[in-house]
Amino acid sequence: DTEVTQTPKHLVMGMTNKKSLKCEQHMGHRAMYWYKQKAKKPPELMFVYSYEKLSINESVPSRFSPECPNSSLLNLHLHALQPEDSALYLCASSQDSFLFNQPQHFGDGTRLSIL
Amino acid sequence: GEDVEQSLFLSVREGDSSVINCTYTDSSSTYLYWYKQEPGAGLQLLTYIFSNMDMKQDQRLTVLLNKKDKHLSLRIADTQTGDSAIYFCADLSNTGKLIFGQGTTLQVKP
Repeated sequence: DTEVTQTPKHLVMGMTNKKSLKCEQHMGHRAMYWYKQKAKKPPELMFVYSYEKLSINESVPSRFSPECPNSSLLNLHLHALQPEDSALYLCASSQDSFLFNQPQHFGDGTRLSIL
Repeated sequence: GEDVEQSLFLSVREGDSSVINCTYTDSSSTYLYWYKQEPGAGLQLLTYIFSNMDMKQDQRLTVLLNKKDKHLSLRIADTQTGDSAIYFCADLSNTGKLIFGQGTTLQVKP
């Protein structure tokens, strides 16, 4: 069982819709991550939050907007997405983004389909 | 830049050992990870090894690290059908980012 919980598991939305993906962890981790994964490919890093502050944005389009309301929660707000944004979106957490002996733990992801 | 490479596919018979190989380029790597991804699921951390270790064993899993050749392998003993999945090797870069290989699809035949 994963200790990182993502909701919803599946999401279908039109290109004009606004929706949010949610991620929650209760391991006391202070770093949280969003990844995008296409089929049969490795995850691609999108954002990193460290101590509730955005520390890395991998040049992600502004139609993706992350938010970290507190140390346990991470949201990804979606607006005006394109069909190529259809993918599995994975959330991960680690104790600290700069402690190299602390691995990242992943949730099961949200499978997003853009119509 | 940093790179991690893996072979894309491995097929074994149930009960055999599986060996999945990985090479990396980052000479300053500190930790190297193996993740497993089953269909429709996220990434499950299997094991990791610190760069000053040569070997780590955890039940059916053995990780071997050759730091000189920058080569990492994951051996699964007594492979079962439930081990069928994609296995990702990952290097934790000095920027704190995980650099993933392309993933090796392990097919276990009964």
